[in-house]
Formats: sequence, C-alpha cells, structure tokens
Amino acid sequence: ETGVTQTPRHLVMGMTNKKSLKCEQHLGHNAMYWYKQSAKKPLELMFVYNFKEQTENNSVPSRFSPECPNSSHLFLHLHTLQPEDSALYLCASSQDLSRTDTQYFGPGTRLTVL
Amino acid sequence: DAKTTQPTSMDCAEGRAANLPCNHSTISGNEYVYWYRQIHSQGPQYIIHGLKNNETNEMASLIITEDRKSSTLILPHATLRDTAVYYCIVRASGNTGKLIFGQGTTLQVKP
Repeated sequence: ETGVTQTPRHLVMGMTNKKSLKCEQHLGHNAMYWYKQSAKKPLELMFVYNFKEQTENNSVPSRFSPECPNSSHLFLHLHTLQPEDSALYLCASSQDLSRTDTQYFGPGTRLTVL
Repeated sequence: DAKTTQPTSMDCAEGRAANLPCNHSTISGNEYVYWYRQIHSQGPQYIIHGLKNNETNEMASLIITEDRKSSTLILPHATLRDTAVYYCIVRASGNTGKLIFGQGTTLQVKP
C-alpha cells in the first residue's frame, strides 16, 4: 500500500531536540489521523483531522503538536520529548469520518528518544 | 464503544484455513465489525468489514453470527506471509471515525 507515505521511517532524537514527522496521502481523502503504538501496547489514537480541521485530541501532551495544512498532508511536530515517547507513530487517512469508512495506514515512523 | 475479546495467540499450518474468533457481545445494532492486521512493525492493513451479513473479499471471509455477538475471520489458505497480529474492531457509533484497537490475536502460520 503506497497510498499513505510517512517520513522519516526512523528517527532518533534527544530530549531537547525539535523534529517533525510528515505524512502524505495520495488517495484524495479528507480525514487524517495520528496514532501512537508503544511497545507491547495497542495502537492509541492521538489526533483526528477532517477537512484540515482538528476534530479530536485524545488528551495528548502539548509536546506533540499536529499541523494539517491541507487534506493531503499531516505533520506531527515534536519538542522536548521524553524517553517514554519512543514508539511507532502511524498516520492514517480515510474518505471522511463515517464509521463505515476504511482507514488506510502508512508504514509508520519508528521514533527513539534518548 | 463495544468491546471486543480475542484469543491472545493462535497457530495455523500453512495451506490450511485460519479461523480467528472475536466476541463482541455488547455490540449495538448500527455498529460495524472491522478486521485489520499488522505485520511486524508495519502499519495496520484493512482486511474486511461487515454489519449483519457474511462478507467475502480477495483476502478473507467474515462470518457474523445471527445475534451479532461474535464473528469469525477466515483466511482460506493461510501462507507464511499471513503471520501477523489480527485486530477485531467494532466501529464507534457516532460520527468520529474512531478506530479503537485492542491487543488482537497473534497468528503464527507454520510450515
């Protein structure tokens, strides 16, 4: 599945660094999502955007800052992260927010915070 | 949101059918059952979904009981590449599009 791409695929950063994760979807979808998957834990929804507007923030700490400049691109800006933030960060998109709509996932960014 | 219960792990012989069960006894009438899978360290992949009727596509079949309290995902001829974590998800009612993942079933296909 190459409809949703994520860069970088791997990222190592220190706690004082600032970095950004990028997601791009080529499916013409209107909704985009960020999920976090920590080791041996289920995927957790972080943010939801629909038509560039944030519709859900799942109590995510402010050191994670999402940005959705258009329906095709989604960013996750990271600053002053903690080692426990090390995880696989997954982006997904869907046509809209209908409960019958399929979400397509990108390959993820493996983040390590030192 | 309706909760799902799946076995933690299952084994299947290559070439045989893999039958993955899921209980969702609190499902409401307008909630869909979705199945995704995640091969190690990759993004989840959509497999199939259904409401009441059994469904089949090129990847799998979904059998939903008449009372909708459980379902079974069937991979008709499992291959080694089907080794993955399989998630049964009941879509949240309302218009949020939220997917809530549980621990899933780790399916190991063996030669």
